[in-house]
Amino acid sequence: QVQLQVSGPGLVKPSETLSLTCNVSSDSFSNYFWSWIRQPPGRGLEWIGYVFYSGSANYNPSLKTRVGISIDTSTQQFFLKLKSVTAADTAVYFCAGGNSWYTSLNYWGQGALVTVSS
Amino acid sequence: EVVLAQSPATLSLSPGERATLSCRASQTIDNNYLAWYQQKFGQAPRLLIYGTSIRATGIPERFSGSGSGTDFTLTISRLEPEDFALYYCQQYGMSFGQGTKVETK
Repeated sequence: QVQLQVSGPGLVKPSETLSLTCNVSSDSFSNYFWSWIRQPPGRGLEWIGYVFYSGSANYNPSLKTRVGISIDTSTQQFFLKLKSVTAADTAVYFCAGGNSWYTSLNYWGQGALVTVSS
Repeated sequence: EVVLAQSPATLSLSPGERATLSCRASQTIDNNYLAWYQQKFGQAPRLLIYGTSIRATGIPERFSGSGSGTDFTLTISRLEPEDFALYYCQQYGMSFGQGTKVETK
């Protein structure tokens, strides 16, 4: 069984950096890839990026200049940093993980609302 | 960048009816890398189908996926009350479609 939980501040000021951690509990951490997805209020899902166990990452082109995703295999955590945030970055942020071969997201955390406001 | 277009935006049906949801890609997608998710209000999405047609663990047989190339379909053979929700397709673990809402008629 795989469990994920997002942690981090629920409020970030404009122009600052949003930082979130996904804490994973899994017997197969090395077998999966790990993703961040967000959902603005009342809107659809937006893929932010993913990271493999190796540390190799891939990002949404629309966010690529502002986003970084990293992984700590020793603690089974992966991280999201999003720079220079604006109100448009207000969303529920989900972390998820899944099958590296099929690139499907089998496991999801509960999501955390991050509001960008002064 | 592959763009996924889902249709219709909203599907109004009654329990027991068949639901057919479409996902069209702007470029050809390998069948291994098309997935479908269900999301209910206030919840995280749940994986339904991966590899175009493989049901995820615990997903009822009334859910099926098909398609190839640029055209993919999620079919719910007979809608149960708990199936009224939002549905998203996703390609290569990256971009999502904009979603189809299945609502009660």
